[in-house]
Amino acid sequence: VLLTQSPATLSVSPGERATISCRASHSSRTNLAWYQQKPGQAPRLLIYGASTRATGIPARFSGSGSGTEFTLTISSLQSEDFAVYYCQQYDDWPPTLTFGGGTKLEIK
Amino acid sequence: EVFLLESGGGLVPPGGSLRLSCVGSGVAFGDFAMTWVRQTPGRGLEWVSSISHTASGSSRWYADSVKGRFTISRDTSKNTLYLQMNSLRAEDTAVYYCAKPISPPPDCFDSWGQGTLVTVSS
Repeated sequence: VLLTQSPATLSVSPGERATISCRASHSSRTNLAWYQQKPGQAPRLLIYGASTRATGIPARFSGSGSGTEFTLTISSLQSEDFAVYYCQQYDDWPPTLTFGGGTKLEIK
Repeated sequence: EVFLLESGGGLVPPGGSLRLSCVGSGVAFGDFAMTWVRQTPGRGLEWVSSISHTASGSSRWYADSVKGRFTISRDTSKNTLYLQMNSLRAEDTAVYYCAKPISPPPDCFDSWGQGTLVTVSS
C-alpha cells in the first residue's frame, strides 16, 4: 500500500481547524494510524484504528475514514500542535508497514 | 511508563558494519513485535525490520531495501533489541528508532526511543 498525504504543507491560524488527508493506493480497511512529530523528537502516536485516540491525546484530535480515504482533524489549533503529521498503514502486515510522506502544519 | 533507549549509531564508511542496540524498561520485549524504523529528510519514515513476539515464534521481517544485509535480534533476558547492519550504503544514512507496537503484532507504535544517527560516508 502506498500512502499519499495532502497537502504537503498547511498554514493555519491558532484556534482554527486543520484537516489533513491520507489516501491509500488500495484499501487499508481501518488499519491506519496518525502520528505527530516535532523537531528533534520521535513520532508520537495520536490515532489508531483510523479513529481511536491513543492514550493521553486531547479530544481536539480526531480521525476518520476507511478503505482508501482517511482524514486527521484538529478542531482548534493550539500553539503546541504545529508540527509534522504522518499517517501509517498496517493492513499489509505481514510483511510490510508503510508511512505517508508527511504534512507540515505551520502557523499562518 | 515505557522507556526505550537506542545506541550504537555513528559514522561508518560504505561497506562497513554497525550494530544498533535498544534497551527498554516498562515493557517486556518478548511480549511485543519490537521494530526498527528509520527516518531521512528525503525519504521520511521507513519501516526497516520487526521481530515477532516470542509466542509467535520470533519470526523476523525486513524491508526489501535491507533484506540480506540487516539482521534483527532480541535478548529478552536483557530486554534489548538489536539491529546488525552489514554492507552499509549511503542510502542507509538515517536516524534509526526502536519502536514498540500498541499490541503484540507489529501494527502501530505507541512508544519510541529518541533515535540514533547512522551516517554512511567515506
